[in-house]
Amino acid sequence: DTEVTQTPKHLVMGMTNKKSLKCEQHMGHRAMYWYKQKAKKPPELMFVYSYEKLSINESVPSRFSPECPNSSLLNLHLHALQPEDSALYLCASSQTWGAGAKNEQYFGPGTRLTVT
Amino acid sequence: AQRVTQPEKLLSVFKGAPVELKCNYSYSGSPELFWYVQYSRQRLQLLLRHISRESIKGFTADLNKGETSFHLKKPFAQEEDSAMYYCALGFSGGYNKLIFGAGTRLAVHP
Repeated sequence: DTEVTQTPKHLVMGMTNKKSLKCEQHMGHRAMYWYKQKAKKPPELMFVYSYEKLSINESVPSRFSPECPNSSLLNLHLHALQPEDSALYLCASSQTWGAGAKNEQYFGPGTRLTVT
Repeated sequence: AQRVTQPEKLLSVFKGAPVELKCNYSYSGSPELFWYVQYSRQRLQLLLRHISRESIKGFTADLNKGETSFHLKKPFAQEEDSAMYYCALGFSGGYNKLIFGAGTRLAVHP
């Protein structure tokens, strides 16, 4: 399996809801990423997990809470979001992370989130 | 500061014409440069990386450290090349974040 999968494809949530995005890969990659992509803009890094530990948080608001239960799974828990958080949320993975790491990242199809 | 600049938002060409998508970067260290492509309704996928020096789908890109550029070229554009192209800079030396340029939409007309 050489793909990164993401569920759900689409999500509509109210500002008081709690929801979660899920990402899965079975390529044996040990680094996983969350990106946010607004319309007609490039992806912006949110979080990086390396060996199931949070390595980078790009000053993301606490209403976004990442979780890496195991080496194949990455979740993004959402709570009390704002309408401006509406975007395409992309998950990616790469073989490794750190000095000398292979940087090639494989992206999932994304979850299109709408906050009403 | 690290930065990737793609000066053209849209590049419109006719089928069979040569294509060059420009990418310039700013980084004081040793860069890793990539081109990612996003076809309509498809996921973002890696097209080229500079360390591979390969040709994918007829596209090539050469890293020019003197000009800090990594332009993407194809001698004869095809309609199926129409997509959004992102140049990305990867940091070396301890961690590997990717910074994306704003992207260039390539439209190839019949």
